[in-house]
Amino acid sequence: DAGVIQSPRHEVTEMGQEVTLRCKPISGHNSLFWYRQTMMRGLELLIYFNNNVPIDDSGMPEDRFSAKMPNASFSTLKIQPSEPRDSAVYFCASSLYGQGRIHEQYFGPGTRLTVT
Amino acid sequence: GDSVTQMEGPVTLSEEAFLTINCTYTATGYPSLFWYVQYPGEGLQLLLKATKADDKGSNKGFEATYRKETTSFHLEKGSVQVSDSAVYFCALSLNTNAGKSTFGDGTTLTVKP
Repeated sequence: DAGVIQSPRHEVTEMGQEVTLRCKPISGHNSLFWYRQTMMRGLELLIYFNNNVPIDDSGMPEDRFSAKMPNASFSTLKIQPSEPRDSAVYFCASSLYGQGRIHEQYFGPGTRLTVT
Repeated sequence: GDSVTQMEGPVTLSEEAFLTINCTYTATGYPSLFWYVQYPGEGLQLLLKATKADDKGSNKGFEATYRKETTSFHLEKGSVQVSDSAVYFCALSLNTNAGKSTFGDGTTLTVKP
């Protein structure tokens, strides 16, 4: 299996621009998580989905952030407009959720976002 | 709410030293417990897991035992190597909330030759 795939791996953009981060979860997984990691705040859960439905977006920092999961094999995280304080590494993770299962998460390699 | 508290870092050890990273948790139910490792420039990856009291998870020489009475899941390794230098995260997951996990703050380990 290719694992969780994220693109792009690096993104440099100017303040005010729209940024779209992409994630392909592991085939067959039904839960997907978006995280942000910075030195100051550590690892933060932004939003998560189950069966393509958003379950909890309380970690999304502002209305400038939005996420979608149009199907089981694709999700996007969009920032519009971007600001320098959004600079971070964004991770996508997936897992197989169900009764009796062990819910370990599989992380992608991350997208390093720099907003200048 | 659910929470995980990890030993603060950074931790610096010499090669072949014994490693312990403490982890305690608070949970409303009976969680599964995990240790994840993050190498520089990479995402987190599962190191080991345990699903019930007294279970011992092990992998790559690392071990952790699920202690319900002390709500702990301490990570240990008998002899660390330079290649073990990484950030280690303790986490828990309940059988709810789509498998969401609660992570500790991470502990940075540096092993010197």
